[in-house]
Amino acid sequence: QLQLQESGPGLVKPSETLSLTCTVSGGSITSSSYYWGWIRQPPGKGLEWIGTIYYSGSTYYSTSLKSRVAISVDTSKNQFSLKLSSVTAADTAVYYCATATVTSLAYDCWGQGTLVTVSS
Amino acid sequence: DIQMTQSPSTLSASVGDRVTITCRASQSISSWLAWYQQKPGKAPNLLIFKTSNLESGVPSRFSGSGSGTEFTLTISSLQPDDFATYYCQQYNDYPYTFGQGTKLQIK
Repeated sequence: QLQLQESGPGLVKPSETLSLTCTVSGGSITSSSYYWGWIRQPPGKGLEWIGTIYYSGSTYYSTSLKSRVAISVDTSKNQFSLKLSSVTAADTAVYYCATATVTSLAYDCWGQGTLVTVSS
Repeated sequence: DIQMTQSPSTLSASVGDRVTITCRASQSISSWLAWYQQKPGKAPNLLIFKTSNLESGVPSRFSGSGSGTEFTLTISSLQPDDFATYYCQQYNDYPYTFGQGTKLQIK
């Protein structure tokens, strides 16, 4: 049973870079059976897709965020990461990592989410 | 980007009611649509993938239909556990996009 866990600072200063890691257990980050994604949710608002990475290393990003975002994989630690640069208060949100199997292609396994607040 | 529009934004219903939530795409997404349920303080939970396929463990009172640009999520007989917010998501094309959500509340 795949499990995901987000980790990273809960507070980031404006203009700095937000960095989060998602640790995968119960499966391999290099498996061709999955792809890995990040989704966020500002307080009281809806879900916003950030981006995804395939086992091949191919990445796809939100149009509004692509100039500031990077998703990468660390195979040695079975983790994937999110970096979002030049953050503002508008980036305050609960950040979720999630995975989709090649069966459903929808996000069928999610981390619990981590709140990141952008404030000085 | 493909825009996803859900209606209604809020839905009031009673236990035992049959309810339908609609999701419209700004262009055809074939059948590449998923539905998620989210409860306060929790991560979303996949209910239905590829328009009408029930995720394992999801009660059969949930069903999905549609194709192209118009899709529906139906709950045949509302249970107390079903009061939550529901989101549709297209994964036909990048960037993936979510609907704005439908909050299902107790009447």
